[in-house]
Amino acid sequence: KAGVTQTPRYLIKTRGQQVTLSCSPISGHRSVSWYQQTPGQGLQFLFEYFSETQRNKGNFPGRFSGRQFSNSRSEMNVSTLELGDSALYLCASSLQATQETQYFGPGTRLLVL
Amino acid sequence: KNEVEQSPQNLTAQEGEFITINCSYSVGISALHWLQQHPGGGIVSLFMLSSGKKKHGRLIATINIQEKHSSLHITASHPRDSAVYICAAPGGGINDMRFGAGTRLTVKP
Repeated sequence: KAGVTQTPRYLIKTRGQQVTLSCSPISGHRSVSWYQQTPGQGLQFLFEYFSETQRNKGNFPGRFSGRQFSNSRSEMNVSTLELGDSALYLCASSLQATQETQYFGPGTRLLVL
Repeated sequence: KNEVEQSPQNLTAQEGEFITINCSYSVGISALHWLQQHPGGGIVSLFMLSSGKKKHGRLIATINIQEKHSSLHITASHPRDSAVYICAAPGGGINDMRFGAGTRLTVKP
């Protein structure tokens, strides 16, 4: 089976812009989670989707949003980018829940200038 | 205090040494993950534990749910084991994830 894919892999944006990141989970996986990783804060949970529904959201401002499509592919959007949004954004998929083995994508490295 | 605490933060070992990384958590959990992250960012799931002990090659993971503690052991360490090891736990019945700060392991030849 193909692994989790994320696009784009690298992105440079300027403050105030918005960005959309995409994640395609492993075939058959219905749970998709998004994480932000920064040197200062480490890994942090953004949100988790299952069957097109957001089941949980981490402690991030409303500028961070996401959605999941009927084929389980997921997108996350960050509006009005700030310098502090520069990070590695990772998605992970599992069959049904975060209590199962997580399969991570390679990540999207976002730089906000 | 973080809900998931790891120790040590950094660890340097000689090739062949036995290594232990510890993870303690203060939240109720239903499972605990051990992850490995190599330079470049890619993360691989090593173990998902809900009780007892699991072994995969030279890696062993244990968890004590009552004591809220898990350990990752590497036997006969090798330079290719050099990576950041992260423990992570979803809240009990909640599909989120709380992460430890990670342990940076360097194994010298």
